Amino acid sequence: GAGVSQTPSNKVTEKGKYVELRCDPISGHTALYWYRQSLGQGPEFLIYFQGTGAADDSGLPNDRFFAVRPEGSVSTLKIQRTERGDSAVYLCASSLTPPVQGGTQYFGPGTRLLVL
Amino acid sequence: GIQVEQSPPDLILQEGANSTLRCNFSDSVNNLQWFHQNPWGQLINLFYIPSGTKQNGRLSATTVATERYSLLYISSSQTTDSGVYFCAVSSVQGANNLFFGTGTRLTVIP
Repeated sequence: GAGVSQTPSNKVTEKGKYVELRCDPISGHTALYWYRQSLGQGPEFLIYFQGTGAADDSGLPNDRFFAVRPEGSVSTLKIQRTERGDSAVYLCASSLTPPVQGGTQYFGPGTRLLVL
Repeated sequence: GIQVEQSPPDLILQEGANSTLRCNFSDSVNNLQWFHQNPWGQLINLFYIPSGTKQNGRLSATTVATERYSLLYISSSQTTDSGVYFCAVSSVQGANNLFFGTGTRLTVIP
């Protein structure tokens, strides 16, 4: 597609449930990033993939959060045993070049997660 | 991580006015981007500008890397310019992700 797409656009779940959020990066972009944005804040980094591998997962808040990118394109962010504090907008971004080379990161529209 | 400060935090303008938004950062960068987050939450790329000056229509940006700041200029503002403007940088030392400032909330009134 022309841009980064994310599904679902909104997700409401109950505390303790498992959720999966999907990201389709721009075609040909090898670098993929997940960020999380809480109300009134700037986005915060969660994880970076270069190809299929998670090159940097230092931003994941705890072991309830996990992400995969098995074929080097689509990525899924998985949250187990959701908590109310996980409520936020989850943003995906992709870039043509690895971050060490600089280059523009393009963001998707985000998934709004609400944990009741 | 690298620190990013944006000013002012809030700005209200009359339509047609000009404005300057500032971004200060604490380390050498290999990436600096300005974004506009619209009322629906979409982050729209404005500029990729780790150094130098760029212009795109009514918007322009300048980054002085040696002095660790960037400026975003908006001229002849329109109501559609309203939203939050973010500066985001990645450090040369730890370049795997963008660090975002807290943003400048711009409101343009007709």
